[in-house]
Amino acid sequence: QVQLLQSGAEVEKPGASVKVSCKTSGYSFSSHGISWVRQAPGQGLEWMGRISTHNDDTNYDLKFEHRVMMTVDTVTRTAYMELRSLRSDDTAVYYCATEGEELEWLEHWGQGTLVTVTS
Amino acid sequence: QSVLTQPPSVSGAPGQRVTISCTGSNSNIGAGYNVHWYQHLPGAAPKLLIYGNTNRPSGVPDRFTASKSGTSASLAITGLQAEDEADYYCQSYDSSLSGSLFGGGTKLTVL
Repeated sequence: QVQLLQSGAEVEKPGASVKVSCKTSGYSFSSHGISWVRQAPGQGLEWMGRISTHNDDTNYDLKFEHRVMMTVDTVTRTAYMELRSLRSDDTAVYYCATEGEELEWLEHWGQGTLVTVTS
Repeated sequence: QSVLTQPPSVSGAPGQRVTISCTGSNSNIGAGYNVHWYQHLPGAAPKLLIYGNTNRPSGVPDRFTASKSGTSASLAITGLQAEDEADYYCQSYDSSLSGSLFGGGTKLTVL
């Protein structure tokens, strides 16, 4: 079955960077893009962007486009999301998810990675 | 704030029917882009409930149905059960943002 296994919780200081990984299995990796979604405490889901696992094309939400980088390693079937210049309001659970179709629904989700930004 | 507007909360008694609306604009739902729905239980990953406006993934009960009209969409849940208590989100693509976006979420309380 499809599985997305994310890296563990991180604690970072303001101004630092964090890189979250999402290791996938159970499907054709290059056939489905991967989106990243976050949820801050007490807030709703927020789409951050997506990456094509076919050609590495990315689409980033305007809010993050200057601070985020999404990459994939097709050999290890792993997606990565790096967020730079962290602020306290970046404290959130970060999810990776496979796209059903490009920029459409998110079919399978990782378990989430808590990133806490604190001085 | 989200450009897909959902009511913050809805509630219903077991066995009843509730609906959750998702109101967008001519750059997202009204432009013909598909709407998808997710159920999010506390401490768990979101779960795809409806994709492509009306389609249920395998394993999702037929108590969950959805529709879309004009610049809005809605999710209906019939035969409410205690296990349905969760947050529900709509999602669509927005051409002015050139990206996907979620509604603000609706908390469903089963009385």
